Amino acid sequence: DIQMTQSPSSLSASVGDRVTISCRSSQSISNYLNWYQHKPGKAPKLLIYAASSLQSGVPSRFSGSGSGTDFTLTISSLQPEDFATYYCQQSYSTPYTFGQGTKLEIK
Amino acid sequence: QLQLQESGPGLVKPSETLSLTCTVSGGSISSGTHYWDWIRQPPGKGLEWMGSIYYSGTTYYNPSLESRLTISVDTSKNQFSLKLSSVTAADAAVYFCARHILKGISRYSWIDPWGQGTLVIVSS
Repeated sequence: DIQMTQSPSSLSASVGDRVTISCRSSQSISNYLNWYQHKPGKAPKLLIYAASSLQSGVPSRFSGSGSGTDFTLTISSLQPEDFATYYCQQSYSTPYTFGQGTKLEIK
Repeated sequence: QLQLQESGPGLVKPSETLSLTCTVSGGSISSGTHYWDWIRQPPGKGLEWMGSIYYSGTTYYNPSLESRLTISVDTSKNQFSLKLSSVTAADAAVYFCARHILKGISRYSWIDPWGQGTLVIVSS
């Protein structure tokens, strides 16, 4: 299985901050990498697919980059509704695997 | 707008079979470009992809669960289902169903949308 490792596991930030979350895969996955946002009690929401493509309806303050084994999710200016847990997921091969999550909290 | 809703017992006894159904509305489960997934999240832990099914019945399972897992589809009801046998406390989790979109020959794929999830407790 391809292991996905996110860092940090948790992050405190303020509204307006620029935030970066990293995701590393245990082997090269080209750009077969997706990012999701999850709030408690809600359905997870797709933000970014194919490493850098913004899902329709997702605010442009979210962006993704990377290829190979190293990937980044950036939120350019945090908004109150962005406080949530973020997961990366590889779609290169089954079993599809997720990172352990990064919990973004209000400072 | 496609929506998915999980349903089934919220409490299962150890060693018994966990059964859940996902009802798809706002679109057809028989769309040729999508798979349908089950994903779970144990309390305090991350997400685990369990398996996928195509409307024709073709399945892909996580090897860690394959011996206990059966995913099936009922196109007449626009539903797909999960059965996980011989459950233990480790199977307690929020179970999500979701659409898995495939993008042509590029093989890019992503999961969208997801259901809200249903909590399953394993206890006697």
